[in-house]
Amino acid sequence: GAGVSQSPSNKVTEKGKDVELRCDPISGHTALYWYRQSLGQGLEFLIYFQGNSAPDKSGLPSDRFSAERTGGSVSTLTIQRTQQEDSAVYLCASSLGGGSGDGYTFGSGTRLTVV
Amino acid sequence: QQQVKQSPQSLIVQKGGISIINCAYENTAFDYFPWYQQFPGKGPALLIAIRPDVSEKKEGRFTISFNKSAKQFSLHIMDSQPGDSATYFCGNMEYGNKLVFGAGTILRVKS
Repeated sequence: GAGVSQSPSNKVTEKGKDVELRCDPISGHTALYWYRQSLGQGLEFLIYFQGNSAPDKSGLPSDRFSAERTGGSVSTLTIQRTQQEDSAVYLCASSLGGGSGDGYTFGSGTRLTVV
Repeated sequence: QQQVKQSPQSLIVQKGGISIINCAYENTAFDYFPWYQQFPGKGPALLIAIRPDVSEKKEGRFTISFNKSAKQFSLHIMDSQPGDSATYFCGNMEYGNKLVFGAGTILRVKS
C-alpha cells in the first residue's frame, strides 16, 4: 500500500485480556518499528526489526509485551494480561532501513484502552 | 530512555510570528537529527532533518539550526500559521539504530 497500515484503529479491552495489534508496512521497507505514545507523552520506543537480523527488543516494558514480524513484512505486537497502564496509542513505522538518513513513515496508530 | 531533552512543552504563537523549539542531546555518536510533526489522530510525519556536517537547513518556512559544540538543535517556523498547530518531536539517531524522540512540543498558532 501507499502508507503504513495499522489495525484495529481503536481497541477497548478488559484488564487481564490479551490483545494483538497489527502493522502492515510500506512494501520494500526492510525496517519496522513499534512506538508507544501515552496521553500527553512523547514517543516511547518499543521494538525494532531490521531485515533478518535479531530484533532490538530493548524498549519492551515487560515480558507481557512481544512482537513478531512474519516474512519480513507484517508485524504483530502482542500484549498479554493487559493492565490499565498499557492504555496508549501504539504506533508502527517503517523505513527503507540500513541506517540513518531514512525518514520513518508512521501509521495512524492503534488506540488501546484497557478498562 | 530519555536521551533527548526538548523544550518548551507547549508554545503559543501569534499568526505571522516565529515559533522556536529546542532540543539538546547527549550522545555524540548521533548523526541524524529530524523533526517530526504530528496532527491529532495521525502518526508523526517527517518535517525536516539535518546531519551534523551542516549548521543550518532551510525548507520553505521551516529551518533547523544545529550547534554541534553545544549539542543542541532547534526548529524555527517562520510566519507561523494556524495550520502549523500540531505537536512537534525532535529525534536523534545513531547510524544503523533506531530513532529516539524528545517529549514533544504542543504548538498553537493563534489567528
